[in-house]
Amino acid sequence: NAGVTQTPKFRVLKTGQSMTLLCAQDMNHEYMYWYRQDPGMGLRLIHYSVGEGTTAKGEVPDGYNVSRLKKQNFLLGLESAAPSQTSVYFCASKGGEWEADTQYFGPGTRLTVL
Amino acid sequence: GQNIDQPTEMTATEGAIVQINCTYQTSGFNGLFWYQQHAGEAPTFLSYNVLDGLEEKGRFSSFLSRSKGYSYLLLKELQMKDSASYLCAVRDSNYQLIWGAGTKLIIKP
Repeated sequence: NAGVTQTPKFRVLKTGQSMTLLCAQDMNHEYMYWYRQDPGMGLRLIHYSVGEGTTAKGEVPDGYNVSRLKKQNFLLGLESAAPSQTSVYFCASKGGEWEADTQYFGPGTRLTVL
Repeated sequence: GQNIDQPTEMTATEGAIVQINCTYQTSGFNGLFWYQQHAGEAPTFLSYNVLDGLEEKGRFSSFLSRSKGYSYLLLKELQMKDSASYLCAVRDSNYQLIWGAGTKLIIKP
């Protein structure tokens, strides 16, 4: 099992460019999440999905879009990148709503927007 | 608003014991998680508490007091590999995780 994988691992963008981050999981998990992590701040939820074909907004959704066309994949899009989106992006997945269900994280994507 | 507080940084000596505190104010409570995150890596699950009391797992223990909005992570027999950030997260009434900024633990020989 690869667990949760993310591509790319690193990316540098210019302001206004677009890109898509891909998250894939092979654990047959229903729930998937996109977070950003900035220095001195906790992980902040961007968007999440409770199953194939569903998406919902998290705490900081502006400037991002997502899609969950296949259960194993969760894509995060930046339509017009801004320097404020420079961050480390983590994808996570979770099996279900059982009390102690934990989130499994991917290795992260380090994005710099110039 | 929702708030989770942890110390920013702590230093401890190899072989010693350290306690990392976490206080929270959230809209509802459906469990508290501790994760470990080594520099440049992804967070990994350490422990889960939903009832008051102590949960022990090897060298790591986690305590919860719901009435006080307080938890701590206790690390015993510290090893150099325990140098990492420790993240406290609370699951709120919407079953979303609210994360603290993390405590960077530095272990000295």
